[in-house]
Amino acid sequence: QQQVRQSPQSLTVWEGETAILNCSYEDSTFDYFPWYWQFPRESPALLIAIRPVSNKKEDGRFTIFFNKREKKLSLHITDSQPGDSATYFCAARAGGSNAKLTFGKGTKLSVKS
Amino acid sequence: EAAVTQSPRSKVAVTGGKVTLSCHQTNNHDYMYWYRQDTGHGLRLIHYSYVADSTEKGDIPDGYKASRPSQENFSLILELASLSQTAVYFCASSDGLGGREDTQYFGPGTRLLVL
Repeated sequence: QQQVRQSPQSLTVWEGETAILNCSYEDSTFDYFPWYWQFPRESPALLIAIRPVSNKKEDGRFTIFFNKREKKLSLHITDSQPGDSATYFCAARAGGSNAKLTFGKGTKLSVKS
Repeated sequence: EAAVTQSPRSKVAVTGGKVTLSCHQTNNHDYMYWYRQDTGHGLRLIHYSYVADSTEKGDIPDGYKASRPSQENFSLILELASLSQTAVYFCASSDGLGGREDTQYFGPGTRLLVL
């Protein structure tokens, strides 16, 4: 059972455009949603994260929009740059003392110049 | 200085052989994790641990064992390696306290090829 779903699998945008990456989840107990990015032949690293007390989290060109009622969130990358080309993973953590994350399968973003 | 290191960085193993992947962290974190990454599957949790001498099953534990002899070290053991275990394996650590430092810090990965 896949608890965190991402779409699209891959996305290509032109430099300067806004890329929108989608994520949905099933478990209503999830209380923390980080996005990790991974460049080719490198390890994943935290990009930005949000908790359900907020419906928006911004960090420079990266913004998470969160809809708790619909169990959906999205990552918006404005003014996309070729250096943003990477695979983006949405993840979720259940509440309580267990700190493990459930990752989605990822969206591979390519930014063309 | 890298805070999570893994060894070996790559390995070729034979089917049915034993493989041990090692992870060492200097973050002073309580939680450590082992993931495998396959194309199209993202990151899947194999085992994790929140204290020395104790391990927990993740989402895909079958065929794998884990060992946490100290806070800093966490090993993944494949007793009888199989072709289907060819993948990239990542170790990660976090403080797991649910606060600002929920971040998982990943090691560089180990590329395992089982022939």
